[in-house]
Amino acid sequence: NAGVTQTPKFQVLKTGQSMTLQCAQDMNHNSMYWYRQDPGMGLRLIYYSASEGTTDKGEVPNGYNVSRLNKREFSLRLESAAPSQTSVYFCASSEEYRGLTTNEKLFFGSGTQLSVL
Amino acid sequence: LAKTTQPISMDSYEGQEVNITCSHNNIATNDYITWYQQFPSQGPRFIIQGYKTKVTNEVASLFIPADRKSSTLSLPRVSLSDTAVYYCLVGVPASGGYNKLIFGAGTRLAVHP
Repeated sequence: NAGVTQTPKFQVLKTGQSMTLQCAQDMNHNSMYWYRQDPGMGLRLIYYSASEGTTDKGEVPNGYNVSRLNKREFSLRLESAAPSQTSVYFCASSEEYRGLTTNEKLFFGSGTQLSVL
Repeated sequence: LAKTTQPISMDSYEGQEVNITCSHNNIATNDYITWYQQFPSQGPRFIIQGYKTKVTNEVASLFIPADRKSSTLSLPRVSLSDTAVYYCLVGVPASGGYNKLIFGAGTRLAVHP
């Protein structure tokens, strides 16, 4: 099993360009997440999908859109990239959601390093 | 949003025990506390999780007091390979009945020979 797979691993964009970060998991998990990590900021939640067919905003959703294509795949789109979106992006997934408790374990991909010039 | 607070950095030596404390004053009643480890150029990796009192696994121990407003990750006899960033994670109630999983800034642990 590959776990959580992110593509691409590296990307350089010019300001105003668009792109989609892809994420797929093969663990049959219900919930998926997108985080960004900036130096000294830890990980910040961009969007999440608690289950197939639902998405919701996290801490820093502005400038991003997401699509839960199916149970396996959760993509993150930058419609018009800005230098402030230069960051490392991590996708994660967790087992079947259990309601209001948060005893899931998150499984992370290896990240996408994005630079916007 | 409720936040967690951890020390920014810690230093230790091989063979010592390391304790990292996280404050989470607004933790929800039904929420668990989870710790992750992150090495450079990798995604975070699950270490341990608990709800109350003490949890121990092959990697670490987690101590949670009765009021659950803080938790302490304990790493016994650290080695150089334990040099990493450690994150405390709690959920924050969100709309729709779901909890958003919010990471703190993390603690950068450096283990020296």
